[in-house]
Amino acid sequence: NAGVTQTPKFRVLKTGQSMTLLCAQDMNHEYMYWYRQDPGMGLRLIHYSVGEGTTAKGEVPDGYNVSRLKKQNFLLGLESAAPSQTSVYFCASRRWREDTDTQYFGPGTRLTVL
Amino acid sequence: LAKTTQPISMDSYEGQEVNITCSHNNIATNDYITWYQQFPSQGPRFIIQGYKTKVTNEVASLFIPADRKSSTLSLPRVSLSDTAVYYCLVGDPRITGGGNKLTFGTGTQLKVEL
Repeated sequence: NAGVTQTPKFRVLKTGQSMTLLCAQDMNHEYMYWYRQDPGMGLRLIHYSVGEGTTAKGEVPDGYNVSRLKKQNFLLGLESAAPSQTSVYFCASRRWREDTDTQYFGPGTRLTVL
Repeated sequence: LAKTTQPISMDSYEGQEVNITCSHNNIATNDYITWYQQFPSQGPRFIIQGYKTKVTNEVASLFIPADRKSSTLSLPRVSLSDTAVYYCLVGDPRITGGGNKLTFGTGTQLKVEL
């Protein structure tokens, strides 16, 4: 049981380049999230998904797109990277049961846009 | 979403009990209170969650007064490895449409020294 994994761990892009970040979870969770974390700040929600085939915008969605074609995978795309998108990106999946609501986070992807 | 306020930083020594208080004056009736821990270069990790009164697990205790306008995370006998950022979150896990968009603030940086 690997939990939540993210690929890649590090990436450097030039302004205008595109890339896709992959998040995978093996816990059969319906909900998945993409956050970004900037120095000295908390996590900000970019996009989320409440199930396979669904996506929705979070707090800071501009410049990003997502897809949830398979339940276990949640992809985050940057179509034209900008220096303002330099950040650490975290993916999470969520388990909600009667007594506990828990998000499980991946190790993060550190992205630098030059 | 209920806004939370917690201290920016706290210092402690090994073996001491640490109490971190979070204020959430406009908490809603169905909101739960959740605490996460984040080490440098890692994603946040669930610590504890509660609705009212006191909750205890193998890691921490969560004290919630009757009015639920604040909560206190208690870490017994901290060690150097407890140095981390601690986030207090408030939200209703049953809001499926919103995907339970929990707001991570800047958290409390706990530093434990010898």
